Amino acid sequence: GAVVSQHPSWVICKSGTSVKIECRSLDFQATTMFWYRQFPKQSLMLMATSNEGSKATYEQGVEKDKFLINHASLTLSTLTVTSAHPEDSSFYICSAYSQGAIGGGYTFGSGTRLTVV
Amino acid sequence: DAKTTQPTSMDCAEGRAANLPCNHSTISGNEYVYWYRQIHSQGPQYIIHGLKNNETNEMASLIITEDRKSSTLILPHATLRDTAVYYCIVRVATRGAQKLVFGQGTRLTINP
Repeated sequence: GAVVSQHPSWVICKSGTSVKIECRSLDFQATTMFWYRQFPKQSLMLMATSNEGSKATYEQGVEKDKFLINHASLTLSTLTVTSAHPEDSSFYICSAYSQGAIGGGYTFGSGTRLTVV
Repeated sequence: DAKTTQPTSMDCAEGRAANLPCNHSTISGNEYVYWYRQIHSQGPQYIIHGLKNNETNEMASLIITEDRKSSTLILPHATLRDTAVYYCIVRVATRGAQKLVFGQGTRLTINP
């Protein structure tokens, strides 16, 4: 149990285009989902927290108009990188939280590697 | 937010116990200690978590000091597949959101 599917696993896009990344909890309902970004040889950096049906809470320094987060249901959250530029190239990881779920409540997706050319 | 301090890297021989320390001296009474690991280019994998008491599961043991200011993750019989970055995290509770904030972690290398 407690599986999070993240799609796509990798994507290459042209500079100036937008990319959408999906995060789905497959066998549980996630009250809260988190989005992280990870640059090479660095740790995960929390970008935002999203709760179903409400606006996401962004961490300091993260541009909410550039990284659009939608949490339309208890099993799906999406992150859209708008007008992507090469510096947005990174590994994006989502995490879904459900109190009582296996693993202390937090389940991570397998990540999406975004390359902007 | 309580911070954690971990050694940057550690080595361990295959088959031996790997003991990964973590310092969290500013931890609050209602904050949990979580351990995750990340193998290259994958999402973090849950290992174990605890509040006060020592915990054990099929993957590892977590030893938390009585004052809760530090903990040790123990992999009893390390294998080559345990090579990864290990993160010790204190779970924060801010305005109802319980986010996990990752530090730099310990890069554990298991040597044959």
